[in-house]
Amino acid sequence: EVQLVESGGDSVQPGGSLRLSCATSGFNFDIYAMNWVRQAPGKGLEWVSYISVGSTSVYYADSVKGRFTISRDNARNSVHLQMNSLTAEDTAVYYCARDVADCSTGTCYEIRFDSWGQGTLVTVSS
Amino acid sequence: EIVLTQSPGTLSLSPGERATLSCRASQSVSGSYLVWYQQKPGQAPRLLIYGASTRATGIPDRFSGSGSGTDFTLTISRLEPEDFAVYYCQQYGSSPRYTFGQGTKLEIK
Repeated sequence: EVQLVESGGDSVQPGGSLRLSCATSGFNFDIYAMNWVRQAPGKGLEWVSYISVGSTSVYYADSVKGRFTISRDNARNSVHLQMNSLTAEDTAVYYCARDVADCSTGTCYEIRFDSWGQGTLVTVSS
Repeated sequence: EIVLTQSPGTLSLSPGERATLSCRASQSVSGSYLVWYQQKPGQAPRLLIYGASTRATGIPDRFSGSGSGTDFTLTISRLEPEDFAVYYCQQYGSSPRYTFGQGTKLEIK
């Protein structure tokens, strides 16, 4: 069974830092790209960051670029999100999500997030 | 940046009725990259439809997706009590890599 379990969420003051982790099991982690998606209280989903299989490609939403860093440890089947210079606007539940696509032709199609963790809450408040 | 606009914001229907949810893109989107998710309160999103029209594993056939270009639709043919939730569309693009619509809340009338 595919499982993704986030951890590291906490209450932190503005300007502070936090490191989120997503532990995975039940699948070959090192052949899947991964993402972080967040959801502010009562709001919709916002994609945050992406990391490719070999960590060669990383992407960020403009709202977190320069402050957040995504990384992965294929030996430990985990993905992380280092969050610095946090503001109240970063308050949200953070989900990790597995990225799946059909890349058999060389170009990737049917890209989707097929498995999600249960989320971890980050609260930024003084 | 491609913006996805979902309508209506809230849809009030009764079990057994048909639901039609819209997702409109500000620029043309390849159908291959249009995805629908369902989210229930306190739960993570669940993949419903990808490639605009392909049901994910385990998704009942009362859920269907259609559309192309800038207009995409999620249809639930006959609502079951467990279908009342929030639905999001998502697209894969260049920058940002992914965007979500703001969601449609499907509530019991």
